[in-house]
Amino acid sequence: EAEVAQSPRYKITEKSQAVAFWCDPISGHATLYWYRQILGQGPELLVQFQDESVVDDSQLPKDRFSAERLKGVDSTLKIQPAELGDSAMYLCASSPRTGRTQETQYFGPGTRLLVL
Amino acid sequence: KNQVEQSPQSLIILEGKNCTLQCNYTVSPFSNLRWYKQDTGRGPVSLTIMTFSENTKSNGRYTATLDADTKQSSLHITASQLSDSASYICVVSRNAGNMLTFGGGTRLMVKP
Repeated sequence: EAEVAQSPRYKITEKSQAVAFWCDPISGHATLYWYRQILGQGPELLVQFQDESVVDDSQLPKDRFSAERLKGVDSTLKIQPAELGDSAMYLCASSPRTGRTQETQYFGPGTRLLVL
Repeated sequence: KNQVEQSPQSLIILEGKNCTLQCNYTVSPFSNLRWYKQDTGRGPVSLTIMTFSENTKSNGRYTATLDADTKQSSLHITASQLSDSASYICVVSRNAGNMLTFGGGTRLMVKP
């Protein structure tokens, strides 16, 4: 069964350093999402792509976070500089673009970030 | 404000027992409601999805209900197993279905 791939699974970094996360969605899925999930809370959408275009990045802290999906396939989320409060699980999800309102988002295993 | 609230925050039950998790939402306009299971350290996995016209949907031992009038949903787990230990997240979609509001989740622990 096709899955969303993410790497690395775990990342420990010091504050002020730069970190990058990678996501490879399920093949053929046009929509890609990046979420941040703080321990004990539900995921919070950071950015949504439709193919290579950003559809929604209203919750993305643009002073330090950036995301790209240059060829409309895999995507990279970057944080520079990292802050202590960025420690969280970063989830990537994808969904097909079929126009049906019941589209399910398929989540990857996540990248757990710890900023020291 | 679009919100999804889940209760209880955490729950401990004995293996073999049933339990029910609650989800109340104020998301509008409503498109659909989904329940996800998230194992520790893993991404969420979809259990059920219901639209406005659906009152109940089952997936094995998981049965979700939806009351669109009162804006409430429940997830009932029958004959719990140790592997049911996870967080269960209620997610409500609005507009075209891709604008999601996540609940904070219920952390379920099943003990032998």
